[in-house]
Amino acid sequence: QVHLQESGPGLVKPSETLSLTCTVSGGAISAGDYYWSWIRQSPGKGLEWIGYVYPTGSTDYNPSLKSRISISIDTSKNQFSLRLTSLTAADTAVYYCARRNYPDAFDIWGQGTMVTVSS
Amino acid sequence: DIQMTQSPSTLSASVGDRVTITCRASQSISTWLAWYQQKPGKAPKLLIHKASVLQSGVPSRFSGSGSGTEFTLTISSLQPDDFATYYCQQYSIDWWTFGPGTNVDFK
Repeated sequence: QVHLQESGPGLVKPSETLSLTCTVSGGAISAGDYYWSWIRQSPGKGLEWIGYVYPTGSTDYNPSLKSRISISIDTSKNQFSLRLTSLTAADTAVYYCARRNYPDAFDIWGQGTMVTVSS
Repeated sequence: DIQMTQSPSTLSASVGDRVTITCRASQSISTWLAWYQQKPGKAPKLLIHKASVLQSGVPSRFSGSGSGTEFTLTISSLQPDDFATYYCQQYSIDWWTFGPGTNVDFK
C-alpha cells in the first residue's frame, strides 16, 4: 500500500528557510487523482492545511501562508517538497505530508516530522 | 474562510458508552466533511468522508451524519482503542480547515 515519509531538519533558526521532502512509496505519485498536501499541527493553532501540489505541478496554498510557501513535485523521484521562508517561532509544529484522494479527504498521512524554530 | 467548531472540547466516557461529537461549519459545506481520529504521537487517521461514508477498514461502530452546517460523529459503543482526539475537517472550498478537536478520555 502507499506510504508517505517526511524528511528534513528538526531545528531551524528564525528568519531562515525550512525545506521538507515527502517520499511516496508503494505507488506512483503521478497515478490517480490525488492532491499531495502539507499539513501542520501546533499546540496553539491545531491542524492547519498548508497547501498542495498536483502531479501536473499546479498548486494551491493557504492564503495566510501564501507569501512564504512554495510546494513542488518531482515525479521522477516520487517526491514532493515544501519550502517555507522567513521562519518564526510560530512555525514550530509537527509537519505532515498527506494525500487527498479527490474529491474526498486526506486518506493517507505520513508519520509527521517535528520542526522547531529556535536560535 | 470557513470556520469549524466542535463540541464538546473534552468528553469523558466509559467503555460501552454511546458517544456523540458535534461539528459546525460557519457556512454551508453540503456534505464535504471528514472525521479523523488522532492518538498521541501519531498522524490523524481518516474515519469518515463525505459526512457519512465510512473509510475502508474502519469499524462499523463509527458513523457520521449531517449536511449543510451541522454534523455529528457517533461511536455506538466506545471501545478501549477509541480513546483519542477527534477532528472534523471541511473540504468544500480550496482552503481546507479543521475543527479544534474533541478529546475523548476515560470517565
